[in-house]
Amino acid sequence: QSALTQEASVSGTVGQKVTLSCTGNSNNIGSYAVGWYQQISHGAPKTVMFGNSLPSGIPDRFSGSKSGTTASLTISGLQPEDEADYYCSTWDYSLSAPVFGGGTKLTVL
Amino acid sequence: EVQLVESGGGLVQPGRSLRLSCAASGFTFDDYAMHWVRQAPGKGLEWVSGISWNSGSIGYADSVKGRFTISRDNAKNSLYLQMNSLRAEDMALYYCAKGVGYDYVWGTFDYWGQGTLVTVSS
Repeated sequence: QSALTQEASVSGTVGQKVTLSCTGNSNNIGSYAVGWYQQISHGAPKTVMFGNSLPSGIPDRFSGSKSGTTASLTISGLQPEDEADYYCSTWDYSLSAPVFGGGTKLTVL
Repeated sequence: EVQLVESGGGLVQPGRSLRLSCAASGFTFDDYAMHWVRQAPGKGLEWVSGISWNSGSIGYADSVKGRFTISRDNAKNSLYLQMNSLRAEDMALYYCAKGVGYDYVWGTFDYWGQGTLVTVSS
């Protein structure tokens, strides 16, 4: 069981806005910055957001936010190439280790 | 351009050892923490180990503590993972990942390698 909880699957149509969530507690998301990673067809992960920063080359339809112990990744204007597995991570103070969510499979209909 | 290239994976029998390497380029290697993250077949991402910029701070997942050793050579822009007493459950694709800061305790990563596959089987 992962320390961070993500939806198993989310779907949306092209052009739609979708939001993926990552829920933790005060020892992790509530206290530390969150990273989001895209993994297309079991290829290498690619960082699409860390903290409030959008990495170079990532389209600005990706945005991140956090409220309390839940972080969110929003994709505005969903594109077919956004279909992938998405993982979140952050530091966990009580575990003294980085932790990942179980991943969300995003399907573009 | 940041590049992380892993090597050293392969087929190994249970109980044996393997050493993974990660060659880094495109950034000032000794300014950043580095990590190993693995992914078992059909599973999610699992953090394995992290090391701070100057090797002064090191951490391991409980599942590998006492068996794996992370190290880095800043002169060679390289990261290593010595894996001893390998088990079937260690079989995974091992990724080298760059931390976003100088200490490994920040828990987020900004660049990833392509991974090297470790297969543990008799």
